[in-house]
Amino acid sequence: DSGVTQTPKHLITATGQRVTLRCSPRSGDLSVYWYQQSLDQGLQFLIQYYNGEERAKGNILERFSAQQFPDLHSELNLSSLELGDSALYFCASSVEGFGSPLHFGNGTRLTVT
Amino acid sequence: DQQVKQNSPSLSVQEGRISILNCDYTNSMFDYFLWYKKYPAEGPTFLISISSIKDKNEDGRFTVFLNKSAKHLSLHIVPSQPGDSAVYFCAASAYGSGNTGKLIFGQGTTLQVKP
Repeated sequence: DSGVTQTPKHLITATGQRVTLRCSPRSGDLSVYWYQQSLDQGLQFLIQYYNGEERAKGNILERFSAQQFPDLHSELNLSSLELGDSALYFCASSVEGFGSPLHFGNGTRLTVT
Repeated sequence: DQQVKQNSPSLSVQEGRISILNCDYTNSMFDYFLWYKKYPAEGPTFLISISSIKDKNEDGRFTVFLNKSAKHLSLHIVPSQPGDSAVYFCAASAYGSGNTGKLIFGQGTTLQVKP
């Protein structure tokens, strides 16, 4: 158990809809990262937050947004969903920035129909 | 642009033998490298890491080798066990990228260890 909790585990929704994925980091970790894994692909970095502030941005679509709350949990919002957004979305956390391994949750599997 | 590449999608070895998983990178700014293991329906689990000031790091049955001049790293598992069967991801990070700690991942290699 990595200590990172993601909810829900599975999500099925229709095109055009909006969903929110939730992540609770390990106790004490200030950094939260979001990754997307599409079918047979590697993990693509989306965005990172550190202690409530956006720290780094990757290949995140404008339809997607995230935030980290004062209690350090994070939410990833996906809107105007398309079929191609179907993927596994992983959250990870770490103690600090460079040099600390990321610890991943078990992911949320999003299916857009 | 794939900055971290794992060119072998799959690898099959016999139990007790050595498993060697390879990874190449293109960004010379990368200076911290990690290997993760992933079982189905679970998130990636951190296995071992190495910084660019070293060329080898060991942890039990797992050893990571780094060849900076070739921009290549490898993970050796000796001896391989059936429980090692999983997808292995190579990842890299660059301190110069604002010290964010974000990792760039390869595509993964599926290792099968046969009893």
